Amino acid sequence: GAGVSQSPSNKVTEKGKDVELRCDPISGHTALYWYRQRLGQGLEFLIYFQGNSAPDKSGLPSDRFSAERTGESVSTLTIQRTQQEDSAVYLCASSITSGSVTGELFFGEGSRLTVL
Amino acid sequence: QKEVEQDPGPLSVPEGAIVSLNCTYSNSAFQYFMWYRQYSRKGPELLMYTYSSGNKEDGRFTAQVDKSSKYISLFIRDSQPSDSATYLCAMSADDYKLSFGAGTTVTVRA
Repeated sequence: GAGVSQSPSNKVTEKGKDVELRCDPISGHTALYWYRQRLGQGLEFLIYFQGNSAPDKSGLPSDRFSAERTGESVSTLTIQRTQQEDSAVYLCASSITSGSVTGELFFGEGSRLTVL
Repeated sequence: QKEVEQDPGPLSVPEGAIVSLNCTYSNSAFQYFMWYRQYSRKGPELLMYTYSSGNKEDGRFTAQVDKSSKYISLFIRDSQPSDSATYLCAMSADDYKLSFGAGTTVTVRA
C-alpha cells in the first residue's frame, strides 16, 4: 500500500485478555517503530526495529508487552493480560533511513485499544 | 519533570491570525527538532524539521530553535480552518528515538 497500515483500527477487550496489533510498513522501509499515545499525553517510544532485529526495546512498559517483525515487513505488538492502563492509541511508524531520526517517520493511523 | 514540555491548549484563533506554538525541553543533547501535525483520529505527519539552532521557513510555517534557552517555536501565518489540528513538537539526540511533547490542539475559526 501507499502508507503505513495498522490493524485493527479499534479494539475493545476485557481486562486480562491478550491482544495483537499489526503494522504493515511502507515497502522498502527498513526501520519500524512503535509508539503509544495516551489521552492528553505525548507519544511514548516503545520499540524500534532495524530489519527484523530490535536493538532498542527499552520503551516497552513491562514484560506483558512484546513485539516481533518478519524480515523488513509486518510487525506485531502483543500485549498479554491487558490492564486498563494499557488503553491508548498504539501508533506504528516506518522510515527508509536506518538508525537516524533525520529520516522522516511515516505514521499509520493507529490502533485504538480500550481495555474494560 | 517531563523531558519535553508543551502547553496542551486548546488554542482558538480567527482565520488569518498568526498561531504561535512552543515547547521547552531539558535534555541538552537534543539537536534534531521537529513539528508534527496530527488531525483527529489520524497519525502524525511531519510538518517541519530543523537541525540545531536557527530558523526555518516553509510557506506559511516558520520553525525556530533556541538551544541556549532550550526552547522551540512554530509560527503559522495567515491561519486557515484546515490548519485546525493537534501540533506535536518532537526532538532527538543523534539517534532514532523521538521524544514528543503532549501536543497543542489548535482550532482556526472561519
